[in-house]
Amino acid sequence: DIVMTQSPSSLAVSAGETVTINCKSSQSLFGSVRQKNYLAWYQQKPGQSPKLLIYLASTRESGVPDRFIGSGSGTDFTLTISSVQAEDLANYYCQQYYDTPPLTFGSGTKLEIK
Amino acid sequence: EVQLVESGGGLVQPGASLKLSCVASGFTFSDYWMSWVRQTPGKTMEWIGDIKYDGSYTNYAPSLKNRFTISRDNAKSTLYLQMSNVRSEDTATYYCITTTEGIGDYWGQGVMVTVSS
Repeated sequence: DIVMTQSPSSLAVSAGETVTINCKSSQSLFGSVRQKNYLAWYQQKPGQSPKLLIYLASTRESGVPDRFIGSGSGTDFTLTISSVQAEDLANYYCQQYYDTPPLTFGSGTKLEIK
Repeated sequence: EVQLVESGGGLVQPGASLKLSCVASGFTFSDYWMSWVRQTPGKTMEWIGDIKYDGSYTNYAPSLKNRFTISRDNAKSTLYLQMSNVRSEDTATYYCITTTEGIGDYWGQGVMVTVSS
């Protein structure tokens, strides 16, 4: 199974700052046929279920603000949130779907707003 | 609007069986692969398994394959998770999700299962 390692486990920032969350996979998520990386990011706000933010490593789901940016390739990926807002308080998870089953998730990053 | 509504959770004793349901609406249920994912009290996400849109094929996490069974009734737009011989480590919030090529497009609100004597 592909192991997903997220860092940091938590971070606290002030509104307006830029946040970077890292996700590393134990093997490459790059598919040579479609030339895409099979990685998704989810946001889970307190008391809510997860919501899809980004798929194919960098494609924002419809309706997701453009301050959420996914990047990376191969085994190293990043979710950047520019100009963080209070509503971005949440846990963020990465998930691979390159080699399934099983789908595997990172351990999550808790974002707190100072 | 896509809606996935799970039910059937609660407090259950170790060794018992439990069946979770997920009623879908707002989309053509029979067009989608569906999955179950659980989240432990410590917030760890674990994929349980999935089922093909016509119910003809299932996949499971190896550690759960012998105790959990996923099924669906497309006529009722309902997904099921049959859990048997439950253990304390099965305590979690269980989510049903639509999956497109492995991407969790839509998630239900989740249902809590607590295994305790």
